[in-house]
Amino acid sequence: AQKITQTQPGMFVQEKEAVTLDCTYDTSDQSYGLFWYKQPSSGEMIFLIYQGSYDEQNATEGRYSLNFQKARKSANLVISASQLGDSAMYFCAMREAPWGGATNKLIFGTGTLLAVQP
Amino acid sequence: ETGVTQSPTHLIKTRGQQVTLRCSSQSGHNTVSWYQQALGQGPQFIFQYYREEENGRGNFPPRFSGLQFPNYSSELNVNALELDDSALYLCASSLDGETSGSNEQFFGPGTRLTVL
Repeated sequence: AQKITQTQPGMFVQEKEAVTLDCTYDTSDQSYGLFWYKQPSSGEMIFLIYQGSYDEQNATEGRYSLNFQKARKSANLVISASQLGDSAMYFCAMREAPWGGATNKLIFGTGTLLAVQP
Repeated sequence: ETGVTQSPTHLIKTRGQQVTLRCSSQSGHNTVSWYQQALGQGPQFIFQYYREEENGRGNFPPRFSGLQFPNYSSELNVNALELDDSALYLCASSLDGETSGSNEQFFGPGTRLTVL
């Protein structure tokens, strides 16, 4: 069965510093997609970044980058130059098959609460 | 482009009652997924609708049911409410049928359901 593990319940980071949020996953599928979402206190899930299992390069989106280590089954999120507005809950998620044809179902981890300090 | 909307934003019910939550998908999207997020947990997949038919279901009992309409909006119905049904219910829409890419799901703001 697919599983996402986030071992850091909470993290602190100083403003303008970089922070890494850990995510490991377990799947027997060869094709899958990995996502990171941000959830502020308002509740809405905001998509940050995506990595397909066959993508050879690590994904980057602005200040977000995904450190994808397939052999170790890890997909850590790196946020550079943290801002106060980055304070939120962060979820790692996985979907089997990165394209249509299968149920577009996401499996989420338990999340990491990030607090950015001034 | 209109994003995913959900109604109502908050709802209070008592045990045994029934509830209907509504979701309007993002313009152009044909798939709606529903998730339940209990306090302090990650979202759990309830089910997904693709072109008005259920297309996958998570580990939820039959009293959780849904509908998708021709305009791709969707409803989540929960019968015989239990205290443990108290949660944030998230709806997400996507455009399925693509052959590559992230096939990203766009989430609505959620409905917070409290069962007393």
